[in-house]
Amino acid sequence: EAGVAQSPRYKIIEKRQSVAFWCNPISGHATLYWYQQILGQGPKLLIQFQNNGVVDDSQLPKDRFSAERLKGVDSTLKIQPAKLEDSAVYLCASSLWGYEQYFGPGTRLTVT
Amino acid sequence: AQSVSQHNHHVILSEAASLELGCNYSYGGTVNLFWYVQYPGQHLQLLLKYFSGDPLVKGIKGFEAEFIKSKFSFNLRKPSVQWSDTAEYFCAVNAMDSNYQLIWGAGTKLIIKP
Repeated sequence: EAGVAQSPRYKIIEKRQSVAFWCNPISGHATLYWYQQILGQGPKLLIQFQNNGVVDDSQLPKDRFSAERLKGVDSTLKIQPAKLEDSAVYLCASSLWGYEQYFGPGTRLTVT
Repeated sequence: AQSVSQHNHHVILSEAASLELGCNYSYGGTVNLFWYVQYPGQHLQLLLKYFSGDPLVKGIKGFEAEFIKSKFSFNLRKPSVQWSDTAEYFCAVNAMDSNYQLIWGAGTKLIIKP
């Protein structure tokens, strides 16, 4: 069974630039999550989708972050404009509703 | 609000030592419990999970955890660690009434000395 795919794996941008991350969940998983993980901390949920609807985006900084899952499968997370404090690993996870989450390899973002 | 507390942020052990990592949560309702592991340079992987039934659950690589409801605890154990167990370990919980969102502990960095 293929796992959660993410790209790119690494990204370096300057502050005020924009960046986008892509995630392809495990086939059949209707629930998709985006997390931000800062070194030494547990993942912080940014947004949760169920199919193509948003379940919770209360912790998404909506002035600069946006996410979509138009066809209920792939998802993109965008940051525009980026700030230094956005440097982190961005994780995508998927699950069947109510079950364990499976994580992708993450995208390590460095904002200079 | 729900929270998860992991007792140790850093643990250093020698190979063949026994391991126990503490995890306590605060939530009054029914929860599901998880331990995830992140090996150096790799992504988060599920180590084991508890949904219901036998409170002693066994996971991959010889790990086990015991759910003690009265203590709100879900401690991770391994009788004899190996150098390859060097990793960061995260305890997490979720519940139906919070859309099964994972509440994470801060993680425990485990270093095994060969």
